[in-house]
This record gives sequence, C-alpha cells and structure tokens, in this order.
Amino acid sequence: GAGVSQSPSNKVTEKGKDVELRCDPISGHTALYWYRQSLGQGLEFLIYFQGNSAPDKSGLPSDRFSAERTGGSVSTLTIQRTQQEDSAVYLCASSLAVSGGQETQYFGPGTRLLVL
Amino acid sequence: AQTVTQSQPEMSVQEAETVTLSCTYDTSESDYYLFWYKQPPSRQMILVIRQEAYKQQNATENRFSVNFQKAAKSFSLKISDSQLGDAAMYFCAYRSGTGGGADGLTFGKGTHLIIQP
Repeated sequence: GAGVSQSPSNKVTEKGKDVELRCDPISGHTALYWYRQSLGQGLEFLIYFQGNSAPDKSGLPSDRFSAERTGGSVSTLTIQRTQQEDSAVYLCASSLAVSGGQETQYFGPGTRLLVL
Repeated sequence: AQTVTQSQPEMSVQEAETVTLSCTYDTSESDYYLFWYKQPPSRQMILVIRQEAYKQQNATENRFSVNFQKAAKSFSLKISDSQLGDAAMYFCAYRSGTGGGADGLTFGKGTHLIIQP
C-alpha cells in the first residue's frame, strides 16, 4: 500500500510570502504528526492530530504557523509571512490510533522549504 | 522535559564489520518507548528498531540489535555485518507512554554513519 505522501517535495519562496505544505497519511491511520528538521534545531515535534479532534498547538514555533486536518485525513501546514529561519525540511508522519504511545510512526519524504 | 543525546556526530565502519551507535536519554517517566530511525539521503525516516521500556529483553531485527540499559538510561544500536546500504543518518528517539501521544517523538541530533567499502 501507499506510504505517507507529502507535497511539494521542494518549495522555494520569498520572505514574507505564505506557503502551504500538504500531507496525505497512510490510509486507515488516524494519528498524524508534523515535525521540522533544521540544521540548527535538529528534529522538532510541531503538532499532532488524532482523528478530527482539535490539536494541541503549543509546539508550533510561532503564531505564523497553523495546521488543519480535513475529514480526519489530509493535513495542511500553513506558514504565513515566511521568514528565512523557517527554512527547513518539514516531515509528516502517521500512525494507527494512539494508545499509550506505542504505535510506530511512519514518515513521509518531507518538504524542503527554502525562504530567500 | 525529556532529552535524547547522541554523542557521536559521525561514525565510520568497514563493510561487513560491526558498529555500535550510542544514545542516552533523560526522563523521570517509567513508561516510555525508544526507537532508532534511519534517514538516508532521500530524507525518508525509516524505523529500524523499537524497544518498550517495560521489556527487559533487548530488541533484535535481523542485523540490528539494541543494548537497552534502563537504569543507566542508555539505548545503543548495534549493526552487525555492515552493508553499504546502511550508510545514513541514524536518529535515536524517545516517546512517552503517557499523554496520549500529544508529545510526539523527541529525537537526538543524529549520527552520520559511513560505510567504507
């Protein structure tokens, strides 16, 4: 079966523009995660969705970042007014329903974002 | 908050030999899970092996095995009979067994593994 897919694979944008990153989880996976991978900060957990429930947004780096998940499937991470420090690889992962943290997360190939 | 430390930024090993990657973590929790992920240049994170903290037996997956020392909070990865395809970044990760998954994974900084032919 298909794995986690992300689009676009690469995105170059100008400082101040808005960008949308998309994640399509594995079919049947109700949990979805976003991470950011940058040279300076390593891998950081951003946000988690369980089904259609409202996510905990406290891990998002700033209020310019937002995420939504429609219909409990596809998720979009939006960065408004991009800054150069937003340049990173944004990884999405999905898993079966979370029950105590044991579920394996399967990752997508990521979106490499470059803000000029 | 939990932290994961990988003290080896880079390791090099001859093909067919054995290499051990180190990982230590800090937590006050008793219920948690530990993982090793591999990230080749394609960027896709691939699960190598996982360990439940409540299990005393070390996990093994073919050529990959771990040495889990709970009291020392150590979780090293041993790769036997190294192959060229093993070359990648390896990340150690921690996940709480409580909190319903809201914390996500906490990763170390990674170890770049080079396989010498």
